[in-house]
Amino acid sequence: DAGVTQSPTHLIKTRGQHVTLRCSPISGHKSVSWYQQVLGQGPQFIFQYYEKEERGRGNFPDRFSARQFPNYSSELNVNALLLGDSALYLCASSLIWAGYSNQPQHFGDGTRLSIL
Amino acid sequence: GIQVEQSPPDLILQEGANSTLRCNFSDSVNNLQWFHQNPWGQLINLFYIPSGTKQNGRLSATTVATERYSLLYISSSQTTDSGVYFCAVERYDYKLSFGAGTTVTVRA
Repeated sequence: DAGVTQSPTHLIKTRGQHVTLRCSPISGHKSVSWYQQVLGQGPQFIFQYYEKEERGRGNFPDRFSARQFPNYSSELNVNALLLGDSALYLCASSLIWAGYSNQPQHFGDGTRLSIL
Repeated sequence: GIQVEQSPPDLILQEGANSTLRCNFSDSVNNLQWFHQNPWGQLINLFYIPSGTKQNGRLSATTVATERYSLLYISSSQTTDSGVYFCAVERYDYKLSFGAGTTVTVRA
């Protein structure tokens, strides 16, 4: 079975632009989470979605938004890009939302976003 | 929020050596995972270990939930073990909180 897939793998944008990142979870997984990893640091939680509803949000500005589709894939949108948004964006999926069951999260290879 | 501390921050090993990485966390958790991030940025699941001991080849992990720590053991290290090792915990909610990582360099 395929793992978590993310697209694109690399992206270069300029300040002020908008970006959309995509994620397909492991087949059967209904929960998708997004994380931002700045160089030299551990990943930071951005959003979690389960059954197309936002279940959690990290400490990120309103420029960041996300949604989950009926097939459980997800998009992360970032508006008005800043230099500080340059990072590796990771998507993770799990079988069941953590609030209901203890399940590990599985990560995709990430999208490396560079802002010029 | 929950605090996750990893030690040591950096580790340099000669090929074949053994090592222990530590993860301390500040509150009770219902999920703990160890990851290996390779030089290409891929975050690889090593262990899902909220409690107890598990082994996978040359790697093993132990979590003592009541004392709020976990250990990752690397035996007979190889150059392919190089990278950053992250501990991440989940406290009865929806998000993983990561430590700052341990950077491991294995020299041939």
